[in-house]
Amino acid sequence: DVKVTQSSRYLVKRTGEKVFLECVQDMDHENMFWYRQDPGLGLRLIYFSYDVKMKEKGDIPEGYSVSREKKERFSLILESASTNQTSMYLCASSGTSPLHFGNGTRLTVT
Amino acid sequence: AQSVTQLDSQVPVFEEAPVELRCNYSSSVSVYLFWYVQYPNQGLQLLLKYLSGSTLVKGINGFEAEFNKSQTSFHLRKPSVHISDTAEYFCAVSPTSNTGKLIFGQGTTLQVKP
Repeated sequence: DVKVTQSSRYLVKRTGEKVFLECVQDMDHENMFWYRQDPGLGLRLIYFSYDVKMKEKGDIPEGYSVSREKKERFSLILESASTNQTSMYLCASSGTSPLHFGNGTRLTVT
Repeated sequence: AQSVTQLDSQVPVFEEAPVELRCNYSSSVSVYLFWYVQYPNQGLQLLLKYLSGSTLVKGINGFEAEFNKSQTSFHLRKPSVHISDTAEYFCAVSPTSNTGKLIFGQGTTLQVKP
């Protein structure tokens, strides 16, 4: 089975902090994604990557950046966290198959 | 632009009753359609997908969905639900065969009561 691992289940950060959310997949998938999940809004795509060192903006990239230095790892970076970035963040990967998701990181920014 | 609308935010149903979760999409091109389920405190898990072929798609846990191109719908059904089906369900659409870049609906919470 594909495993997508997000390093933290819960995070609490202060406004203005730099925040790193880490995601690792073990199936040699080319494609990796970061989604944000909010009640009533479903999942919205922040950034995605089809290859190492490659990234593309999704629908809501503002306030975020990403890094993909190795194929299995895709990091989401909040350069200066704000309270409106309090949310559930879901990482996913895919090859030729549909998306496989991690269990999510619930981030609270105070 | 593509979009997905899940017509019900919450669906309460009694155990062993049938259920239908509604999903409509808008797209000017061919699409690929998906249903995902999210159990409490977990990530999303694929229930079923429509890529091509038969419009009736069977998935895991006894769920099925029917692709209706004329009505631009992809409703999810189960003839008899269990308590364990209580979860949030997401409909999603992809414009290309790269099935990672999905557009999700708002989600429907299925509440199965004993």
